[in-house]
Amino acid sequence: DQQVKQNSPSLSVQEGRISILNCDYTNSMFDYFLWYKKYPAEGPTFLISISSIKDKNEDGRFTVFLNKSAKHLSLHIVPSQPGDSAVYFCAARQYGGSQGNLIFGKGTKLSVKP
Amino acid sequence: DAMVIQNPRYQVTQFGKPVTLSCSQTLNHNVMYWYQQKSSQAPKLLFHYYDKDFNNEADTPDNFQSRRPNTSFCFLDIRSPGLGDAAMYLCATSSFQTGVSTNEKLFFGSGTQLSVL
Repeated sequence: DQQVKQNSPSLSVQEGRISILNCDYTNSMFDYFLWYKKYPAEGPTFLISISSIKDKNEDGRFTVFLNKSAKHLSLHIVPSQPGDSAVYFCAARQYGGSQGNLIFGKGTKLSVKP
Repeated sequence: DAMVIQNPRYQVTQFGKPVTLSCSQTLNHNVMYWYQQKSSQAPKLLFHYYDKDFNNEADTPDNFQSRRPNTSFCFLDIRSPGLGDAAMYLCATSSFQTGVSTNEKLFFGSGTQLSVL
């Protein structure tokens, strides 16, 4: 049973437009959420995170929104660039869980077209 | 540049033949992890080392073992690989201090793609 769900396997966006990647979770004990980005033939790299005590965190073109009541978070990329084309993983940490046991979603493949 | 290095990039083994995957890090992080990622699936934590302390996830098969001889190196041993063990194996590190809030920012290697024939 997936605790972190990324229901869109892929997303295609035009360069310069907004990309919105969604993530839903089922475990109310999650207290920290992260987004990782993965290029082909490379390992995932940390992109942005948000604590459950916040509802928004911004870093340049990347903003993560958290809606705890809906158990939903989203990653916004504005403006989208071709170099943003990658697989994006949503991940969550359970408060009190074993160190490093991030629960990952299956990922969403973003394609930004020039 | 400080980094997490996994070797080899691709590994082919035969059904039942033991195989070892290696990971090294120059970040001097005290925690090292092994994740398994099957095709189109989410990465799944197998186990991790917090310094020398080994922490096995409850659902990690006994077929999977790990060794961490020193801070820099960690190995994943698959004693008798089955066809279902074919996957990408990701090593990751993080720096954790007791009593300090951690953001679980993991640094990943490029992974080893394991094929079992």
